[in-house]
Amino acid sequence: GDSVTQMEGPVTLSEEAFLTINCTYTATGYPSLFWYVQYPGEGLQLLLKATKADDKGSNKGFEATYRKETTSFHLEKGSVQVSDSAVYFCAPHLNAGGTSYGKLTFGQGTILTVHP
Amino acid sequence: DTGVSQNPRHKITKRGQNVTFRCDPISEHNRLYWYRQTLGQGPEFLTYFQNEAQLEKSRLLSDRFSAERPKGSFSTLEIQRTEQGDSAMYLCASSLKGTQYFGPGTRLLVL
Repeated sequence: GDSVTQMEGPVTLSEEAFLTINCTYTATGYPSLFWYVQYPGEGLQLLLKATKADDKGSNKGFEATYRKETTSFHLEKGSVQVSDSAVYFCAPHLNAGGTSYGKLTFGQGTILTVHP
Repeated sequence: DTGVSQNPRHKITKRGQNVTFRCDPISEHNRLYWYRQTLGQGPEFLTYFQNEAQLEKSRLLSDRFSAERPKGSFSTLEIQRTEQGDSAMYLCASSLKGTQYFGPGTRLLVL
């Protein structure tokens, strides 16, 4: 069945380090792909998205490219800040009942801690 | 512009009691979703509505759970005869096309 696999954490980095969080999925179709972020004590926020192959989503210095060949949507940032400390969730919009607007299937989340 | 709101934000109840949560979506969003998130895990889908129609329910949604969206605006999620395993964060999201926007959640603790 459809599923998502996200890199396990926690991830601990120093400020200005490079970040990669891997995400791969299995799907019968071509889902839209999302990254959500959950800051301490806050709700889920959309970080970025991509809706078709080779699209690059970007926001707040984060980027992720929709790779159809490898069914992946890895999250990257060139220089992390302490304020990026949060939990990051990969969430493909996998096909649900034949509709395009059904459920999100979340990865287990990756805890990122950035030290000064 | 107000986002998705949920009430209450926290609920403590005793095992066997019934609880009801409310979600108010972003205005004009016709799709509304409920998810459940336990500690250290990603949210899991429970059910979703398009307008007032409930189009999909997860197998996670046992007979003790019921959700409604009577006028296609706000939604309620009721849990009857709560169990300790129901303790979790209950998240609501709404969308117009594709992108789902989440509320702050209702944290339920069943004693």
